[in-house]
Amino acid sequence: EPEVTQTPSHQVTQMGQEVILRCVPISNHLYFYWYRQILGQKVEFLVSFYNNEISEKSEIFDDQFSVERPDGSNFTLKIRSTKLEDSAMYFCASKGGLPPTNYGYTFGSGTRLTVV
Amino acid sequence: GNSVTQMEGPVTLSEEAFLTINCTYTATGYPSLFWYVQYPGEGLQLLLKATKADDKGSNKGFEATYRKETTSFHLEKGSVQVSDSAVYFCALSDRGTDKLIFGTGTRLQVFP
Repeated sequence: EPEVTQTPSHQVTQMGQEVILRCVPISNHLYFYWYRQILGQKVEFLVSFYNNEISEKSEIFDDQFSVERPDGSNFTLKIRSTKLEDSAMYFCASKGGLPPTNYGYTFGSGTRLTVV
Repeated sequence: GNSVTQMEGPVTLSEEAFLTINCTYTATGYPSLFWYVQYPGEGLQLLLKATKADDKGSNKGFEATYRKETTSFHLEKGSVQVSDSAVYFCALSDRGTDKLIFGTGTRLQVFP
């Protein structure tokens, strides 16, 4: 069964450093997403991406965050200058169908980001 | 705004016990409701869904009924197995939007 692959599974970075989280969505999917879960809190929507541009973003997704699909297969989330409160599990997801078929999401297994 | 509230875990059960994980929601309009499951080391997987009031979603012995009058979508299973040990997330999405709103997740631990 097709999978969404995220790397690395765990990343430790120093406060103030830039970090790039990588995702390989399912190859024929067109819609891409990042969610995150701070330990003990809810899974939160960060951003959705379609046709090489952001289609929706949350209040969390400020100027420190950016997304890119640089080569047609990878989908990356960059945090420019990490803060302690960015420590969380970050989930990538992709979907093939048109909104609002949200049951078509496929999630990756997540990258745990620890900012020290 | 829209939100989802789940019972806190962990929920610890013996094999073959009855499972209920409570989920209530707040939303404008008529959201679609979902249960996702995350097994250790894996991604979030859709377990079941319901798109309108009184719909019952079911999969792998799990069931949940969309109750508009109580704004609830409780997850149930009649007889749990050790292999059901995982984290379960309740979620909703509003019509016409592309994002999911999740609860905090409930860890289920089933012992032989």
